[in-house]
Amino acid sequence: GAVVSQHPSRVICKSGTSVKIECRSLDFQATTMFWYRQFPKQSLMLMATSNEGSKATYEQGVEKDKFLINHASLTLSTLTVTSAHPEDSSFYICSVAGYSGNTIYFGEGSWLTVV
Amino acid sequence: DAKTTQPPSMDCAEGRAANLPCNHSTISGNEYVYWYRQIHSQGPQYIIHGLKNNETNEMASLIITEDRKSSTLILPHATLRDTAVYYCIVRENTGNQFYFGTGTSLTVIP
Repeated sequence: GAVVSQHPSRVICKSGTSVKIECRSLDFQATTMFWYRQFPKQSLMLMATSNEGSKATYEQGVEKDKFLINHASLTLSTLTVTSAHPEDSSFYICSVAGYSGNTIYFGEGSWLTVV
Repeated sequence: DAKTTQPPSMDCAEGRAANLPCNHSTISGNEYVYWYRQIHSQGPQYIIHGLKNNETNEMASLIITEDRKSSTLILPHATLRDTAVYYCIVRENTGNQFYFGTGTSLTVIP
């Protein structure tokens, strides 16, 4: 399967600051990437879908101005949490789909703690 | 939205087969059944997927009923490392989004 790398794996930031999480597809070109958020003891919630070279599509209830997604190349997508607050503390996971789109592979996730 | 229902938790003895059921009664003809698992604090891991035929790989077997309204994931010889949350997902095989349900928390008991 595909290798998907996220960085950082853990980050702590102060309330009101912004933090960027990177998602890289290491061994194939990802035309589509997905970002999820997972709170403790809950399932994964899809936040947005990003297609290379175009604007991300956000799920209902997700603030696009707060969660900025950039998918500038076929191997890199970034999620920036702007003006972070403690309630944004969560596990953020990206996933990638190749040209065929059949199987989706997930990164290892990034823990964000806002203090 | 998730289109699947799964039991919230199951136990399985180590070395025995683990059979995880999934109901997807509203599945459409072009939707596949996917299974992923998530070990604590890690990203989900792909296990297997299928359309209507039974599938087997090195990790598991997927049995889909003839009417495709339910399926069962079989881990033939469960080990302690198979303890995880298992998610059953239905999705068109064209790059559409994955929506996760609540999954089944499988605990393999020594």
